[in-house]
Amino acid sequence: DAGVTQSPTHLIKTRGQQVTLRCSPKSGHDTVSWYQQALGQGPQFIFQYYEEEERQRGNFPDRFSGHQFPNYSSELNVNALLLGDSALYLCASSRDRYNEKLFFGSGTQLSVL
Amino acid sequence: GENVGLHLPTLSVQEGDNSIINCAYSNSASDYFIWYKQESGKGPQFIIDIRSNMDKRQGQRVTVLLNKTVKHLSLQIAATQPGDSAVYFCAEYPGGTSYGKLTFGQGTILTVHP
Repeated sequence: DAGVTQSPTHLIKTRGQQVTLRCSPKSGHDTVSWYQQALGQGPQFIFQYYEEEERQRGNFPDRFSGHQFPNYSSELNVNALLLGDSALYLCASSRDRYNEKLFFGSGTQLSVL
Repeated sequence: GENVGLHLPTLSVQEGDNSIINCAYSNSASDYFIWYKQESGKGPQFIIDIRSNMDKRQGQRVTVLLNKTVKHLSLQIAATQPGDSAVYFCAEYPGGTSYGKLTFGQGTILTVHP
């Protein structure tokens, strides 16, 4: 039973560029949430996707956007990258949108130079 | 704003000792709490959860205690092993319709010495 998978594992970008991160949820899960984890901090909620729509959103600017596909996989897009966007980006999935138990992937480490 | 925090940022123990990691929360409306373990280079791994209508829940070598009166959560690890070395986070759900929206504390670094 595959867990949550994310790609790529590491990414280096320069300021102003755009980036797309990908996530496949755990088998049997249909809801995906994205989190940003800065070094030495706990993860912070970005948004949640269910039925291909954004359902919940944290305190992140519009530069952060996402998408969910019919197979439940998801993408996180960040435009106009800033140095402060450097972080570990975590994807989490749950069995449905009302299930609080989240299972996390290993994340994508994004470095913005 | 309201947040979840930890009393101790680091904890060092000897192998075989029992470990206790503490967490304070300020949102009295939170109704569900989770402890996660995060090893270097990995994402948070679910350890144990507890709902606000419970005071205690036990798993394999782990116990979570919830004291709603003082808004305190703790994770007890019995017979701590070197493989338990990691960062431990408590996280809460604020209740209502905030599904998927966990609020994490800053984490406690647990180091287990052989």
